[in-house]
Amino acid sequence: KQEVTQIPAALSVPEGENLVLNCSFTDSAIYNLQWFRQDPGKGLTSLLLIQSSQREQTSGRLNASLDKSSGRSTLYIAASQPGDSATYLCAVFTGGGNKLTFGTGTQLKVEL
Amino acid sequence: NAGVTQTPKFRVLKTGQSMTLLCAQDMNHEYMYWYRQDPGMGLRLIHYSVGEGTTAKGEVPDGYNVSRLKKQNFLLGLESAAPSQTSVYFCASSYLGTRADTQYFGPGTRLTVL
Repeated sequence: KQEVTQIPAALSVPEGENLVLNCSFTDSAIYNLQWFRQDPGKGLTSLLLIQSSQREQTSGRLNASLDKSSGRSTLYIAASQPGDSATYLCAVFTGGGNKLTFGTGTQLKVEL
Repeated sequence: NAGVTQTPKFRVLKTGQSMTLLCAQDMNHEYMYWYRQDPGMGLRLIHYSVGEGTTAKGEVPDGYNVSRLKKQNFLLGLESAAPSQTSVYFCASSYLGTRADTQYFGPGTRLTVL
């Protein structure tokens, strides 16, 4: 059974700091890995999708990497801003039922 | 273009009552999903649909039923609500459900069962 773990569960950083969020998964037979953002009381917004054949994806200040063989992904946020405060979720897609398996998220707070 | 919408946003039920959650999408997506989100558990797939008239069980289907009579709508029903079904429910949709497709999520329904 696929399991997705995110460390740390919570993180507080000062504005302007570069930071890395970690995601690990137990079964490397994935089709893609996605990073989502969730604001309090809101739904999920897709940030980046990395297909299994790719090593990284970038969008603005966000860069996500994927090492499928080791079962790891990182989300790098450059020059963090208070508006980046949210919970960040990673999820792996294993097909066969269209199944996305989610981690429990990292709650990020960027302080002024 | 409203994306994915969910009705209602909040609901309080008593044990044994029934209700239906409605999800609607205007993106002409084939695939639709229902998840529940509980503290410390992450999102878990309840049921999903790969097209109009089809449904399939996800990871935690017990106590729920679904229907997809129209392509744009996906209904989640609770026939006899239990306190264990207190959760936040999210609907999502994707175009074809392939490895390149992302899922688009609704804002959620917060359900409390007393």
